[in-house]
Amino acid sequence: GAGVSQSPSNKVTEKGKDVELRCDPISGHTALYWYRQSLGQGLEFLIYFQGNSAPDKSGLPSDRFSAERTGGSVSTLTIQRTQQEDSAVYLCASSLGSGQGVPSSYNEQFFGPGTRLTVL
Amino acid sequence: RKEVEQDPGPFNVPEGATVAFNCTYSNSASQSFFWYRQDCRKEPKLLMSVYSSGNEDGRFTAQLNRASQYISLLIRDSKLSDSATYLCVSDAGNMLTFGGGTRLMVKP
Repeated sequence: GAGVSQSPSNKVTEKGKDVELRCDPISGHTALYWYRQSLGQGLEFLIYFQGNSAPDKSGLPSDRFSAERTGGSVSTLTIQRTQQEDSAVYLCASSLGSGQGVPSSYNEQFFGPGTRLTVL
Repeated sequence: RKEVEQDPGPFNVPEGATVAFNCTYSNSASQSFFWYRQDCRKEPKLLMSVYSSGNEDGRFTAQLNRASQYISLLIRDSKLSDSATYLCVSDAGNMLTFGGGTRLMVKP
């Protein structure tokens, strides 16, 4: 079946502009995650959505970053007034479910191909 | 101290060699673990899940030592195509925590 998709695959923007990155999770997956990965670095957790619960925004680096998930499916990550240090690959992942009590296999995350953001 | 720690490497090994990576975790509540593989400029892909003491899949064996809080990944008969970064991941039931990855380079 279809995997996680993200768009655009590449985005070049000027410092100070706003950008929106989109993620389509695997159908039926209730959990959705956003990560950021700078060149040669590890994954940095940004935000996580689980069903209809309030999202865990603990990883967002500043109030310029926000994310929404509409209808429990598609998610949009918005970065306002982009800065050069925002340049990175933004990865989205989804899983069947998350939290205590679910089978461990439900937490296996499947990643999209990422959006490479370059802020000039 | 990072919650999941890995030796960043790189591990340079000849084709056909056996190589092992260790990963230590600090959250004793972690119940299950995963190994992901990430190729250069690609997204991480799930390689193996570890729910009990270990798992084996072809040339790949993962072992979990809960007492010492480490997980290992063993790759036998390594291939050139195994060259990648291997990410160790712990699952404490609410969030996956990723290690920084170990880079493997298999040479002819």
